[in-house]
Amino acid sequence: EAQVTQNPRYLITVTGKKLTVTCSQNMNHEYMSWYRQDPGLGLRQIYYSMNVEVTDKGDVPEGYKVSRKEKRNFPLILESPSPNQTSLYFCASSLQGDLSGANVLTFGAGSRLTVL
Amino acid sequence: RKEVEQDPGPFNVPEGATVAFNCTYSNSASQSFFWYRQDCRKEPKLLMSVYSSGNEDGRFTAQLNRASQYISLLIRDSKLSDSATYLCAVNRLISSGTYKYIFGTGTRLKVLA
Repeated sequence: EAQVTQNPRYLITVTGKKLTVTCSQNMNHEYMSWYRQDPGLGLRQIYYSMNVEVTDKGDVPEGYKVSRKEKRNFPLILESPSPNQTSLYFCASSLQGDLSGANVLTFGAGSRLTVL
Repeated sequence: RKEVEQDPGPFNVPEGATVAFNCTYSNSASQSFFWYRQDCRKEPKLLMSVYSSGNEDGRFTAQLNRASQYISLLIRDSKLSDSATYLCAVNRLISSGTYKYIFGTGTRLKVLA
């Protein structure tokens, strides 16, 4: 089944304890992106990647890191989580990141993170 | 002002009603347009892409008005299962070879029995 898989789905952690949220897609998509969703603020882009080894900041990159060493994986790293990073996180991918007809985003099921 | 704006709702409508949502975008360089559906605490899923000539998928009709910079979604004969949040999204060029999706905050629809 074509899908985007995120793990963990739920996580409660404490301030300062490094964590990684993994994201993997099996559709050979070039474009991958991380979003956070907060009430009243909608989906905000954290980082995105147009292809392997190509990553760039989105709108709210502070406190996050990403890497894209392989096409299928795009982990989100919180080096020192803080309570303001408590949120619902979504990974998404599309075949291409351009304006062709192949740019529909497919989302993972989401990761709900709570930082105490 | 947000680049993509939607009325947050909620829109409470009876079963069988017709309901319409609008979404405005401020950047005229926006090129691709979409409606996504998001159920509570779930991931957004593509409902339909929006084409310049307008398009229909069953009970759902999407329209694009480039001159006024808005897209619309019309749902006819609403079902209880249509209750969800509807997100509009636009895709535009931000630099050479780089594109960006921008989402609205969503419009919540509740269809009542």
